[in-house]
Amino acid sequence: AQTVTQSQPEMSVQEAETVTLSCTYDTSESDYYLFWYKQPPSRQMILVIRQEAYKQQNATENRFSVNFQKAAKSFSLKISDSQLGDAAMYFCAYRSANDYKLSFGAGTTVTVRA
Amino acid sequence: GAGVSQTPSNKVTEKGKYVELRCDPISGHTALYWYRQSLGQGPEFLIYFQGTGAADDSGLPNDRFFAVRPEGSVSTLKIQRTERGDSAVYLCASSPHGGGEQYFGPGTRLTVT
Repeated sequence: AQTVTQSQPEMSVQEAETVTLSCTYDTSESDYYLFWYKQPPSRQMILVIRQEAYKQQNATENRFSVNFQKAAKSFSLKISDSQLGDAAMYFCAYRSANDYKLSFGAGTTVTVRA
Repeated sequence: GAGVSQTPSNKVTEKGKYVELRCDPISGHTALYWYRQSLGQGPEFLIYFQGTGAADDSGLPNDRFFAVRPEGSVSTLKIQRTERGDSAVYLCASSPHGGGEQYFGPGTRLTVT
């Protein structure tokens, strides 16, 4: 079974600053996908960024980027130029290339200070 | 176009009662997933449908939980003899095909008193 660990229950960042969220995972597989989802108070999970394990290049989506370290089984999310709208719960998720279900971490609550 | 919708948004029921939670996926999406999110936790997988059939129901916690998708679109999650431990947000997601990006609905918050 795959486990996803997010060791930071809460993170706070000043508006316009940068914050990094940590995620580690455990798997014996070589082909898989990693995701970061954002969940605002509306409860709707929104995909922020996705990384394929076979790609060495780190994924980037505008102000969001990841640091994928396959050997270390680490997948951190960096939010640059933080905005008030970034305040939410962030979940790291794993999916095997041979499966369809997502395995989520416990989440990190991000607050943005004006 | 319309996203994934779930009804009701909130449901309060008494212990021992039966409840049904509905999910309307994005039109044309063949894959549908149910997850359960307990307070302060990440979502946990319950069941996955490909078309009308349940391709993977390994996440259903016990036989009080059942889900159907009779016409390959709308799905209903059914919980019999509800217990207080069933209180959670139930999330539905759909994807164009199995393994595609999952689009989530806003969830149903179930409270069992």
